[in-house]
Amino acid sequence: DAGVIQSPRHEVTEMGQEVTLRCKPISGHDYLFWYRQTMMRGLELLIYFNNNVPIDDSGMPEDRFSAKMPNASFSTLKIQPSEPRDSAVYFCASSSWRQGARTEAFFGQGTRLTVV
Amino acid sequence: GNSVTQMEGPVTLSEEAFLTINCTYTATGYPSLFWYVQYPGEGLQLLLKATKADDKGSNKGFEATYRKETTSFHLEKGSVQVSDSAVYFCALVTGGFKTIFGAGTRLFVKA
Repeated sequence: DAGVIQSPRHEVTEMGQEVTLRCKPISGHDYLFWYRQTMMRGLELLIYFNNNVPIDDSGMPEDRFSAKMPNASFSTLKIQPSEPRDSAVYFCASSSWRQGARTEAFFGQGTRLTVV
Repeated sequence: GNSVTQMEGPVTLSEEAFLTINCTYTATGYPSLFWYVQYPGEGLQLLLKATKADDKGSNKGFEATYRKETTSFHLEKGSVQVSDSAVYFCALVTGGFKTIFGAGTRLFVKA
């Protein structure tokens, strides 16, 4: 398996524009997580899905943020409108079960978002 | 609630020095514990894990023991290398299935 795949790797956009980040989890994984990483706040969990259903979105900072998982192999995180303070690295991760226990989260390489 | 506390960095060591990064946790039930490593410009990678009390996780010379009595999972390595320079995250997973991370500890190893 190629691992968790995120696109794009880098995104530079102007304030007010819509930004869409994409994630393809590892095949067969039933949990998908979106994290945001900044120097000031560290690694924050934004939202996670189980079997394509959002379970906990309490970490989503504002209504400008939305996430979807239309099927088991694809998820998006959208910011509309974007603001400079949204600049961060956004990670997607997925996990599964192995031998009766939940596996660790497998991370993508992240999308570095810069809003100017 | 569930949480992870790890020592603040940065930690700066000379090559071949002994490394300890402290991690303590608060959790209901019986969490699984993890150490992740993040190299510059990359995502987090699992370094080692332990799923029950007294388990020792080990990988690449790093070790950590799940201590239920002290709710700790300290990371150790006997002799660090320059290539170990990275950010290290302690984490736990409980029955809620989401991974809760510590703030991360940056390690610099000087030649």
